[in-house]
Amino acid sequence: LAKTTQPISMDSYEGQEVNITCSHNNIATNDYITWYQQFPSQGPRFIIQGYKTKVTNEVASLFIPADRKSSTLSLPRVSLSDTAVYYCLVGEIYNQGGKLIFGQGTELSVKP
Amino acid sequence: DTGVSQDPRHKITKRGQNVTFRCDPISEHNRLYWYRQTLGQGPEFLTYFQNEAQLEKSRLLSDRFSAERPKGSFSTLEIQRTEQGDSAMYLCASSLVLSGYTFGSGTRLTVV
Repeated sequence: LAKTTQPISMDSYEGQEVNITCSHNNIATNDYITWYQQFPSQGPRFIIQGYKTKVTNEVASLFIPADRKSSTLSLPRVSLSDTAVYYCLVGEIYNQGGKLIFGQGTELSVKP
Repeated sequence: DTGVSQDPRHKITKRGQNVTFRCDPISEHNRLYWYRQTLGQGPEFLTYFQNEAQLEKSRLLSDRFSAERPKGSFSTLEIQRTEQGDSAMYLCASSLVLSGYTFGSGTRLTVV
């Protein structure tokens, strides 16, 4: 399973766009990129998954360059409630292989 | 169905005691996973079941840990002879083979 590297922490202010970049240099051809969000005292929650180019849903956008060695999670106009830890994972689509491998994640702090 | 349920939410136990946690997955999900998470770290995989079969166990799952999923429905995770290093959040998740994970809110174990 490919290892991921992402910033340990980021700060932002309400209303700003936040971009969190994840490096995954050893991503395999069949791997998808998935982001999870975790609030304190809760389990992680799926945000978005993609393979290449751009994916957008009601929560976030995911940008994946052609070489797929990195990806960027974009959160538009964050609010205080977006304060959480964000994890980038790579693996088979819907994690058919079973387990998820989490890194340390990026702790996002949104300030008023 | 209200999602993945874990019981209890919090457990304080004395070192050397046995503890058991329960996880009720989303009813139609055939896969069930256990993870452990310590402060400041991402969740670490422990084990997973497909239906009632335990398909993979992490090396983290020492012989003091045992997990079961009788009848392929709920699951229990038992820790025997607890140690202070077992203090962590224990997370359960469920999925279908071709779908994303849904995590529960976890059981926070404190060993004193």
